[in-house]
Amino acid sequence: DTAVSQTPKYLVTQMGNDKSIKCEQNLGHDTMYWYKQDSKKFLKIMFSYNNKELIINETVPNRFSPKSPDKAHLNLHINSLELGDSAVYFCASSQVGTIKSTGELFFGEGSRLTVL
Amino acid sequence: DQQVKQNSPSLSVQEGRISILNCDYTNSMFDYFLWYKKYPAEGPTFLISISSIKDKNEDGRFTVFLNKSAKHLSLHIVPSQPGDSAVYFCAATDSSNTGKLIFGQGTTLQVKP
Repeated sequence: DTAVSQTPKYLVTQMGNDKSIKCEQNLGHDTMYWYKQDSKKFLKIMFSYNNKELIINETVPNRFSPKSPDKAHLNLHINSLELGDSAVYFCASSQVGTIKSTGELFFGEGSRLTVL
Repeated sequence: DQQVKQNSPSLSVQEGRISILNCDYTNSMFDYFLWYKKYPAEGPTFLISISSIKDKNEDGRFTVFLNKSAKHLSLHIVPSQPGDSAVYFCAATDSSNTGKLIFGQGTTLQVKP
């Protein structure tokens, strides 16, 4: 059973299109995240949700809109895709307050987005 | 402005020897540090962590050392095994407890048989 699963794993699309990446976790965690790994390989946080409530929004362009229908799902919708949006997007989850006891974020396998 | 930096993009060591991966940070508000390991086509997985009140944490073959005055931490793997070949990310967080981790850019470790 995959703990954090995201779809699709690969996405190739044209500039200007709108696309979505879905994420689901079956760990019972109350906090979910989207991280972006850019061409320089840095993993940077974009958003986090706790029990469907947005708690972190790291100055991401408003073309990016996360949506959390319930605490097990956090989807990422991107409007008007640009070349610079090409990256690997990782979904992750944790139980709030446990990072410093267990140290763990559980990551999905990543979704590689290529914008042509 | 990268607050966590891993200045060595890659490291190659012989099986059985020690691997030392380094990480520097600039934000003195960071109070908890973590190492994650990533295989190709997989997400990062947690490896080991250390609180800023400690200077060493050991878990089996993995030891993390923290030098707060130098704002430097290192991960020691001994003995190194071919299965340790992966990308290692250093990460840090502050007392806000939001779960926000600041990651370095990773070091690719290759352990040769």
